[in-house]
Amino acid sequence: EAGVAQSPRYKIIEKRQSVAFWCNPISGHATLYWYQQILGQGPKLLIQFQNNGVVDDSQLPKDRFSAERLKGVDSTLKIQPAKLEDSAVYLCASSARDRGWHEQYFGPGTRLTVT
Amino acid sequence: AQTVTQSQPEMSVQEAETVTLSCTYDTSESDYYLFWYKQPPSRQMILVIRQEAYKQQNATENRFSVNFQKAAKSFSLKISDSQLGDAAMYFCAYRDVLGGTSYGKLTFGQGTILTVHP
Repeated sequence: EAGVAQSPRYKIIEKRQSVAFWCNPISGHATLYWYQQILGQGPKLLIQFQNNGVVDDSQLPKDRFSAERLKGVDSTLKIQPAKLEDSAVYLCASSARDRGWHEQYFGPGTRLTVT
Repeated sequence: AQTVTQSQPEMSVQEAETVTLSCTYDTSESDYYLFWYKQPPSRQMILVIRQEAYKQQNATENRFSVNFQKAAKSFSLKISDSQLGDAAMYFCAYRDVLGGTSYGKLTFGQGTILTVHP
């Protein structure tokens, strides 16, 4: 079974530029999560989708971050315009009910550096 | 809001010995889940072990076991017979039982870097 795929793996941009990250969850996983992990900290949830609907986006900075999950499969996270404090690893995870349990499977992440 | 605290930024252990990583959390809920995740330098987050709050018995997975103290809101991870491959960042995480389901978000601690010496 293929895991959660993310691209790109690394991205360097200047502040005020735009950037987009892509996530392809495990096939059949209805729930998709985007986490932000700043260096030296634990991941923090930005947004959670159930199919193509948003379950939780309470910590998403909506003035500059946006995310969509078209057709309930792939997802894109966008930052526009980027700030220096957005430098972090962006992790995508997906889950599905299996034997009564939703285990979250994480992708390798995208490391963003804003200069 | 739920919070998770890991008070040990770094820990080290000799190969084949035992190490315990500490975690405390704060919640007003009575039903929830707790997890330990491992994140090697490659950054792929891997589930090590999970504990359902309604279960009194501590979870075990091979060399990994937890000490769950619900009243004290403490959840420590014990790694026995440590191996070089255990070296990683370890995160303690909490999840609400969301609407009777188990797909709620994870709230992570700050992490503990574990070094294993040969």
